[in-house]
Amino acid sequence: ETGVTQTPRHLVMGMTNKKSLKCEQHLGHNAMYWYKQSAKKPLELMFVYSLEERVENNSVPSRFSPECPNSSHLFLHLHTLQPEDSALYLCASSGTQNTDTQYFGPGTRLTVL
Amino acid sequence: GNSVTQMEGPVTLSEEAFLTINCTYTATGYPSLFWYVQYPGEGLQLLLKATKADDKGSNKGFEATYRKETTSFHLEKGSVQVSDSAVYFCALSDRGQGGYQKVTFGIGTKLQVIP
Repeated sequence: ETGVTQTPRHLVMGMTNKKSLKCEQHLGHNAMYWYKQSAKKPLELMFVYSLEERVENNSVPSRFSPECPNSSHLFLHLHTLQPEDSALYLCASSGTQNTDTQYFGPGTRLTVL
Repeated sequence: GNSVTQMEGPVTLSEEAFLTINCTYTATGYPSLFWYVQYPGEGLQLLLKATKADDKGSNKGFEATYRKETTSFHLEKGSVQVSDSAVYFCALSDRGQGGYQKVTFGIGTKLQVIP
């Protein structure tokens, strides 16, 4: 248990569906992150929120839409995804110093049919 | 930009063997360096870290030393166990604009330890 929870743990969706991934942290951190983990590739940083403001968007397609309503919660809204979007989506949180550790949730395994 | 290079593996060792996973980096400034571990079905978790040159991070028998002169942070363990089977990620952290931690990860090295 790292203090970061993600739901659902597994999700299967069709290309026309709309779904949302949820992340919650209980560590009092000010920064939250979405990463995409695909086989044979390094972790890809998708979005970063610091103090509830989006501070980084790494050229992610608009079919992924993040939302950070408060410093403890982070969502990733999904719509009209493609099969190549199938991956493990990891949420993390941290303090704001570069010496801080990032704490990861267990991830959501997404399969797009 | 920053980058981290590590062997992809898989690395297969017998129990009680010595482990080395090499990691080198390129970065501007003075990053912090980390090793994270990912067990099957889980997210990444911190294994150890070092925040300045010549620091040694250690945890659960694993060690790594921040070598600025060779830009390396190699992971070592003297005697691996079956329970160490996992994927190991080397990473460096810099401060991003806007006050967050910008982390660059290596590709991950899969370790399999056989009895």
